Amino acid sequence: DAGVIQSPRHEVTEMGQEVTLRCKPISGHNSLFWYRQTMMRGLELLIYFNNNVPIDDSGMPEDRFSAKMPNASFSTLKIQPSEPRDSAVYFCASTPFSRGLVSGNTIYFGEGSWLTVV
Amino acid sequence: EDKVVQSPLSLVVHEGDTVTLNCSYEVTNFRSLLWYKQEKKAPTFLFMLTSSGIEKKSGRLSSILDKKELFSILNITATQTGDSAVYLCAVRTGGGNKLTFGTGTQLKVEL
Repeated sequence: DAGVIQSPRHEVTEMGQEVTLRCKPISGHNSLFWYRQTMMRGLELLIYFNNNVPIDDSGMPEDRFSAKMPNASFSTLKIQPSEPRDSAVYFCASTPFSRGLVSGNTIYFGEGSWLTVV
Repeated sequence: EDKVVQSPLSLVVHEGDTVTLNCSYEVTNFRSLLWYKQEKKAPTFLFMLTSSGIEKKSGRLSSILDKKELFSILNITATQTGDSAVYLCAVRTGGGNKLTFGTGTQLKVEL
């Protein structure tokens, strides 16, 4: 399996520009997560989807951030307009959806999109 | 708000030392606690713990959970330079798959 695939791997953009990050989850996984990682705040959950439906977007910092999952194999995270404080590594992760205590399930991370806004 | 706190924030040891990393949590509807290792790229899974007092072991790494006191520890014995990484603790809550992460412990193992 190719794992979770993210693009772009690196992005440098100017303040005010729109940024779109892309993710392809592992085939068969129907939960998808977007995390942001910074030195100061660690890994923060931005939003997650079950079966393409957003379940919890309470971590989305503000209206400049939006996420979509139009189908089971693709998701985007968009920042418009971008600001320097958005500079971070954005991870996408996926897992099979399960209810209750099912051991062995963990989430699998992509390699991240390293965003720098100047 | 769910909270996961790790300590120490960073640690420098010599090869061969034993280290203990700590993770405490305050969450609603606890399901499981997970440990990850992050080197330069994505976090990679180490352990998942759901029951108190049962040690999980993989080579020189081991972990245990205390659901009464709401913490977990990750032990690494006979450390090697390849153990240098950020170790992340995460707690799974609710009926779905939401994971809340701590900020991590940065471990550096020197020769």
